[in-house]
Amino acid sequence: GQQVMQIPQYQHVQEGEDFTTYCNSSTTLSNIQWYKQRPGGHPVFLIQLVKSGEVKKQKRLTFQFGEAKKNSSLHITATQTTDVGTYFCAGRSSGTSYGKLTFGQGTILTVHP
Amino acid sequence: DGGITQSPKYLFRKEGQNVTLSCEQNLNHDAMYWYRQDPGQGLRLIYYSQIVNDFQKGDIAEGYSVSREKKESFPLTVTSAQKNPTAFYLCASSQGLARNNEQFFGPGTRLTVL
Repeated sequence: GQQVMQIPQYQHVQEGEDFTTYCNSSTTLSNIQWYKQRPGGHPVFLIQLVKSGEVKKQKRLTFQFGEAKKNSSLHITATQTTDVGTYFCAGRSSGTSYGKLTFGQGTILTVHP
Repeated sequence: DGGITQSPKYLFRKEGQNVTLSCEQNLNHDAMYWYRQDPGQGLRLIYYSQIVNDFQKGDIAEGYSVSREKKESFPLTVTSAQKNPTAFYLCASSQGLARNNEQFFGPGTRLTVL
């Protein structure tokens, strides 16, 4: 079945440093979504990418979807303590006819002030 | 407030007992989902439902059962057949079957089996 691998599993940064998490799928994706889960909380939708090579920005966050639609990345510029949490990518394979998502394992980000 | 509610937040049960986790949404969403979250493993899909009175197994359905008698409710029963039931359970919903629908998550129930 479809697998979505996410690296790194953990990332510790000093406040102000940049952070990147990578997502790779074993199959071509129709779209990819990114979610953030704060410690003790639940996942919250951040963004969705649909087009090959798409790049979207949300303030300090930059999301990319690979040309082959099999990988994606999330980059945070100048991290802040409010960025702490687990970031998940979630993709739907091209052959999926319903809203089933396959989640990556997540990257746990800690930010030291 | 529109959203998804799950209760209780924490649940303790003895081994061998069935337990039902509730999930209610007032977003008028057609699709609902149950995920299990374990450390280092992301979210794994247990069951999902596209419409009332219909549901499908996800990737790890063994030892679980669900029902969808009402659009707004999708309870999950963790049966005694589930070998490792202790986990964080998340319910989610989305507008429908379209591929581009984001999922909205409830606050989760942390189940501990003693």
